Amino acid sequence: DTAVSQTPKYLVTQMGNDKSIKCEQNLGHDTMYWYKQDSKKFLKIMFSYNNKELIINETVPNRFSPKSPDKAHLNLHINSLELGDSAVYFCASSPSYSNTQYFGPGTRLTVL
Amino acid sequence: GNSVTQMEGPVTLSEEAFLTINCTYTATGYPSLFWYVQYPGEGLQLLLKATKADDKGSNKGFEATYRKETTSFHLEKGSVQVSDSAVYFCALSLGETSGSRLTFGEGTQLTVNP
Repeated sequence: DTAVSQTPKYLVTQMGNDKSIKCEQNLGHDTMYWYKQDSKKFLKIMFSYNNKELIINETVPNRFSPKSPDKAHLNLHINSLELGDSAVYFCASSPSYSNTQYFGPGTRLTVL
Repeated sequence: GNSVTQMEGPVTLSEEAFLTINCTYTATGYPSLFWYVQYPGEGLQLLLKATKADDKGSNKGFEATYRKETTSFHLEKGSVQVSDSAVYFCALSLGETSGSRLTFGEGTQLTVNP
C-alpha cells in the first residue's frame, strides 16, 4: 500500500526517558512534517523537512529533535520526556507540486 | 497572523439530517482551504480542498465553497450517515506548493445517530 506509516502506534513511557517515533512515506513526496495533536484535538505544526533539509522549525523545546536520513523518512526523537509531551504525533508528507498534505495514522505518546 | 475558527462542537444529528459546520479564517495572503476528517482512532484524511475564491470542493457528498468576501469555507452535506461520525478539521495553507504549513481550526466532533 502507498501511504504514510508511523511506528509505533502507541508509546507509553516514564518521565525522563528518551524515545523516538519513526515515519516513512512511499509516495515519492519531497516534504515531510510533524504535527502534535493535544488532548483537545488541536493540531499544530512542529517541523518540516524538504529533501532532508529543515524548512519549518516551530517553537518547540530543544528536547525535540527531528532527523531525516533520506527524503522518505522523518524521525522524531524526544529527550527527557515530560508529562506535557503526552499527545498524538502525526507525520505527514506532500509532493513538490502541491500543498496537499497526506497524514500517517498517528502515534499516541503517553508519559507517566 | 493566520488563524482558522470552526463552530464549536460537539454536533449531534440524526441520520439523513442536513449538516453544516462553519469555518472562517484570517490570513495575510490568499490561502488554500481544506477540510480534513479524522475517524475514531485514525489519522487525518483529506476530505476536500479549494485553492481560490468561489472554488467549490466536493467529495463523498460533502461540499464547501471558498467565500473570500466572508472569509469562510463552510462544510455541508445534504444527508449524513452514521459512518460520517468523526472529527472534522478546517485548515488553511498560504503556500501553493510543498513546504507550507497547515493551520488548523479546533476541530468539530460530529456524531450521527441512527
